Amino acid sequence: DTGVSQDPRHKITKRGQNVTFRCDPISEHNRLYWYRQTLGQGPEFLTYFQNEAQLEKSRLLSDRFSAERPKGSFSTLEIQRTEQGDSAMYLCASSEMGQGRNSPLHFGNGTRLTVT
Amino acid sequence: AQSVSQHNHHVILSEAASLELGCNYSYGGTVNLFWYVQYPGQHLQLLLKYFSGDPLVKGIKGFEAEFIKSKFSFNLRKPSVQWSDTAEYFCAVLASGGSYIPTFGRGTSLIVHP
Repeated sequence: DTGVSQDPRHKITKRGQNVTFRCDPISEHNRLYWYRQTLGQGPEFLTYFQNEAQLEKSRLLSDRFSAERPKGSFSTLEIQRTEQGDSAMYLCASSEMGQGRNSPLHFGNGTRLTVT
Repeated sequence: AQSVSQHNHHVILSEAASLELGCNYSYGGTVNLFWYVQYPGQHLQLLLKYFSGDPLVKGIKGFEAEFIKSKFSFNLRKPSVQWSDTAEYFCAVLASGGSYIPTFGRGTSLIVHP
């Protein structure tokens, strides 16, 4: 278990710029999740993949946000035209289907985005 | 849709004190329940989980949680905390048979004084 890896760890960008984050899940995990966490709050669900299929997106996810998981392995989350309200920790998690339908999520360290 | 309430946002204890963190969820059907911990500077880690069976679940580092279906609760307990338990604790619920998307509470910040 090499863990869930996220890159970069920190990103500072100016308002209006585009940013892209990457997540590499645990290799045998076929489910991949993106959550967002702000100070004093728990993780809020953004979107979820099973293999390469994006199965669900939160209403929180505006059309400036897009996520992909092209080969069912790593995933990218892109935010276009960033706003200061996008500043948050973006968490990626993965889980395995097969060890019971609802196996626990394994989280990465997150990417902290600061929009100035 | 399910939701989770963690009523204690900040808890401060001395070492060796007993701990109980509340977690209530709203969902009428079968649920899977989780407690996660986030130590300073680290990623969220699973403390314990409930899927079915014995409602008293034991996790790592001496933590346990009890699922009380009639109260829609899954409180986390530890009889004697240590300074190293200082962390954020998050309860999460997953509605069984629905989408595989856990919903998290807002978390409880625990500070343990040596």
